[in-house]
Amino acid sequence: ETGVTQSPTHLIKTRGQQVTLRCSSQSGHNTVSWYQQALGQGPQFIFQYYREEENGRGNFPPRFSGLQFPNYSSELNVNALELDDSALYLCASSPESPTYNEQFFGPGTRLTVL
Amino acid sequence: GQQVMQIPQYQHVQEGEDFTTYCNSSTTLSNIQWYKQRPGGHPVFLIQLVKSGEVKKQKRLTFQFGEAKKNSSLHITATQTTDVGTYFCAGPFVFDSNYQLIWGAGTKLIIKP
Repeated sequence: ETGVTQSPTHLIKTRGQQVTLRCSSQSGHNTVSWYQQALGQGPQFIFQYYREEENGRGNFPPRFSGLQFPNYSSELNVNALELDDSALYLCASSPESPTYNEQFFGPGTRLTVL
Repeated sequence: GQQVMQIPQYQHVQEGEDFTTYCNSSTTLSNIQWYKQRPGGHPVFLIQLVKSGEVKKQKRLTFQFGEAKKNSSLHITATQTTDVGTYFCAGPFVFDSNYQLIWGAGTKLIIKP
């Protein structure tokens, strides 16, 4: 059983560009959440996908968008990058459960916007 | 908006001393989750508390959920170097069918040399 994987591990972009980050969920998990974590801060919830549908969204602008695929892997897209988008982007997957919410995190993608 | 406040931001302890972090929510929570993040690592799930007044122990770690389900604490007895990291609480909020998991800012446990 493989854990949550993310690609790429590091990425450097310039302001105004677009980026796509990828996440493969743990086997058997159908829920994926994305987080932004700035240095020294707690993770900020971006959105969550459950069975290919977005079922929750944090306070992020529409230029942050995502997808979940039939195999439950997921993408995070960020358009019109800004300097403040520089952060660690974490993906977490969890199995379906109405009451138990353990999330398994990937190692993250470190995005630097210049 | 919904908030989860966590204090203190840092705690410096000598190895063998105890450590406590506190978490407060602006509203009643259905559950609260605790995570640990080692330096340079990703968050790792520790526990989820669901019931009012619940107390759970994991070896030297004791987790409590308040009677009103608005506050929680994590206490570590006799800290060890392996405990170093940042401890986060996180609570789910649902508003207009929109789900969010709101995290505290974390408490960083630092062991004094």
